[in-house]
Amino acid sequence: DGGITQSPKYLFRKEGQNVTLSCEQNLNHDAMYWYRQDPGQGLRLIYYSQIVNDFQKGDIAEGYSVSREKKESFPLTVTSAQKNPTAFYLCASSTRGFGTEAFFGQGTRLTVV
Amino acid sequence: AQSVTQLDSQVPVFEEAPVELRCNYSSSVSVYLFWYVQYPNQGLQLLLKYLSGSTLVKGINGFEAEFNKSQTSFHLRKPSVHISDTAEYFCAVSDLLRSSNYKLTFGKGTLLTVNP
Repeated sequence: DGGITQSPKYLFRKEGQNVTLSCEQNLNHDAMYWYRQDPGQGLRLIYYSQIVNDFQKGDIAEGYSVSREKKESFPLTVTSAQKNPTAFYLCASSTRGFGTEAFFGQGTRLTVV
Repeated sequence: AQSVTQLDSQVPVFEEAPVELRCNYSSSVSVYLFWYVQYPNQGLQLLLKYLSGSTLVKGINGFEAEFNKSQTSFHLRKPSVHISDTAEYFCAVSDLLRSSNYKLTFGKGTLLTVNP
């Protein structure tokens, strides 16, 4: 079945450590996105990529980094510079173009311990 | 810049009652509108979308929404809810950024709780 796979589902990080969240899709979508979800805040865009080897900052990119070396993969690194990383992270993908819907993964819950 | 306002953060209803979840948007350009549902600890699933044409859009699970351009609203409705409809619902809007970039902007969500 086609879809988006995020791993791990739960992740614990010690303060000062970098962690990488995985996102893989087999939908042949060009565009991929990372959102952060906090209670009562909705979804906020961290980074997005419309094509391989290109990505753009979203609304809350500080303390995060991404890469897009392959069409299927869009990993997110939460760096030690992110002061409040505990959140639910959602990866999504879509075809390019105006009005296309986004398909979401099941999310990764990151907790700083 | 576009924005989405979901007017109610929580909506409690009894089973088999009708429900309306309200969404207003602001954008200076043409927009497309979406409603997504999120069950606990899961990703988002598309309920329905409005791109053009009829202003009444039907989606999955018996939900429908009406686009009202003059009121810049896109309210979600269901005539009779079930316990299984308990979830968080997100309204989203997309508009055309520079070049061909595309971005969804989400509201803060409405938690629908259906009680027996």
